[in-house]
Amino acid sequence: EAEVAQSPRYKITEKSQAVAFWCDPISGHATLYWYRQILGQGPELLVQFQDESVVDDSQLPKDRFSAERLKGVDSTLKIQPAELGDSAMYLCASSRFSARGTEAFFGQGTRLTVV
Amino acid sequence: AQRVTQPEKLLSVFKGAPVELKCNYSYSGSPELFWYVQYSRQRLQLLLRHISRESIKGFTADLNKGETSFHLKKPFAQEEDSAMYYCALANQAGTALIFGKGTTLSVSS
Repeated sequence: EAEVAQSPRYKITEKSQAVAFWCDPISGHATLYWYRQILGQGPELLVQFQDESVVDDSQLPKDRFSAERLKGVDSTLKIQPAELGDSAMYLCASSRFSARGTEAFFGQGTRLTVV
Repeated sequence: AQRVTQPEKLLSVFKGAPVELKCNYSYSGSPELFWYVQYSRQRLQLLLRHISRESIKGFTADLNKGETSFHLKKPFAQEEDSAMYYCALANQAGTALIFGKGTTLSVSS
């Protein structure tokens, strides 16, 4: 069964350092999402891609966060510089269609700890 | 404003008891609502969506537009239902989801 792959699973970094996360969506899924989940909260959307184009990055802190999906397949989310408040689970998800009501498939996530 | 509220952080029931996980939403227009579930050490996955009007693993959820609710119900809880449950709403712009804070369901024998 196809799954969304994310790496690394865990990352510890010092504040002010750069950190990057990688996501490989299910093959054929045009829509890719990055969510951030702070402990005790539900996931919150950071950025949504349709193929290689950004559809929604209104909640992405663009002074320090960047995301790209250059060939419309896998994606990288970068934080530079990392701050203590960035400690969270970063989830990648993908869906086949962009229609409302379409199921999103989630990866295992990357747990980031900033010290 | 688009918002999902799950008022209970934790719901503890005995095996065989009925379960109702509450979800209320705020949305202008016709909402698309989902329940996602995360079992221990597994990834977040779709449980059911209101447009399908289906029952999955004995769970059902009915959209009540008058009360702006989408509560998840099961008549007889099983221990394997223990998990974190998230109610989610498709946002106005597209397919991205707005999640509630989640409710932990604990079913004990």
